[in-house]
Amino acid sequence: DGGITQSPKYLFRKEGQNVTLSCEQNLNHDAMYWYRQDPGQGLRLIYYSQIVNDFQKGDIAEGYSVSREKKESFPLTVTSAQKNPTAFYLCASNRWDSPDTQYFGPGTRLTVL
Amino acid sequence: KQEVTQIPAALSVPEGENLVLNCSFTDSAIYNLQWFRQDPGKGLTSLLLIQSSQREQTSGRLNASLDKSSGRSTLYIAASQPGDSATYLCAVNWITGNQFYFGTGTSLTVIP
Repeated sequence: DGGITQSPKYLFRKEGQNVTLSCEQNLNHDAMYWYRQDPGQGLRLIYYSQIVNDFQKGDIAEGYSVSREKKESFPLTVTSAQKNPTAFYLCASNRWDSPDTQYFGPGTRLTVL
Repeated sequence: KQEVTQIPAALSVPEGENLVLNCSFTDSAIYNLQWFRQDPGKGLTSLLLIQSSQREQTSGRLNASLDKSSGRSTLYIAASQPGDSATYLCAVNWITGNQFYFGTGTSLTVIP
């Protein structure tokens, strides 16, 4: 089945630790995105990548880092510099010629203990 | 500042009722607008996409309208069912931007 997978579904982190969230897609999509969702708020864009080895900051990139070494993978690292990392993280992707049709993964819920 | 607002934050209706969800945006120079559905703890599923040149889009019991001049969109759900219970998000893609900006969502509960 084609789609986007995110792992793990739930993640717990101690304060001061870095943690990496996985996002993989087998849709052969060019662009990939990371969003953060907090209770009572909409999705906010963290980082996006339109091609391999290239990515741009979104509205709330501080405290996060990404890499795009392969077309199908776009991992997000939440660093200790992110002051309030507890949130629901969503990954999305789309074809370069269909930027309006984003497919979303199931999400990872990160909790800082 | 470009913002997307959805009111109310939560809505409960009895099964079978027709209902309207509202989305407002601050700048009328949009490229398109999209409505999504999100089930608890899940990702988003696209429901309807309205291009700037369109006034409405329909899919089954769903109808989305767009009024750029007033900065508003509505999602009409006919004959609501318990399975429609979810959070509905509106997202706007402005001409000057290269991403979707999401509203805060409306949590809908359809009571059997």
